[in-house]
Amino acid sequence: EPEVTQTPSHQVTQMGQEVILRCVPISNHLYFYWYRQILGQKVEFLVSFYNNEISEKSEIFDDQFSVERPDGSNFTLKIRSTKLEDSAMYFCASSPPGGGEQFFGPGTRLTVL
Amino acid sequence: GEDVEQSLFLSVREGDSSVINCTYTDSSSTYLYWYKQEPGAGLQLLTYIFSNMDMKQDQRLTVLLNKKDKHLSLRIADTQTGDSAIYFCAESYNQGGKLIFGQGTELSVKP
Repeated sequence: EPEVTQTPSHQVTQMGQEVILRCVPISNHLYFYWYRQILGQKVEFLVSFYNNEISEKSEIFDDQFSVERPDGSNFTLKIRSTKLEDSAMYFCASSPPGGGEQFFGPGTRLTVL
Repeated sequence: GEDVEQSLFLSVREGDSSVINCTYTDSSSTYLYWYKQEPGAGLQLLTYIFSNMDMKQDQRLTVLLNKKDKHLSLRIADTQTGDSAIYFCAESYNQGGKLIFGQGTELSVKP
């Protein structure tokens, strides 16, 4: 059964460093998303991406964040200068044509020291 | 504003039914979802319901939607120890739109 994959599963970085989190959505899906979950808190929406552009972003998704679909399969989230409060589990999700269900990857745990 | 609320914990005995409840504030929600998260794992979509439906059944799962009270519930029949997980309710306004999640209900199933 097709699934969303994410790499790495765990990333440790120093404050101020840049990180890139990678996702491979399900192959025929057209909508792509990033969410994050700080430990013990709700899953929060960051950004959605459709037709090669951002369709919606939250207040969290400031200038330090960017997304890219560099080829036909990968979808990346870049954090330019990480802060301690960026430590969280980051989930990628994708939706088929027509939207509806969002299928989530297993997540990348980001730890900023 | 947008808000989704769930109770934090539920404990049941194996074989009993579990009912997990969720309330949401925005009546323009179009889709309502239930996701399951096992320890250390991602979010698994269990089921979803359109806002023009009152009920949806899928094997052991029954979703009930009360639009007037903005209340959503997930009933798990014959709950098993493997059902122990955190269950998230989520809403969205349109196809392809963002999901707004509740804080999750931790279901504990005792043998």
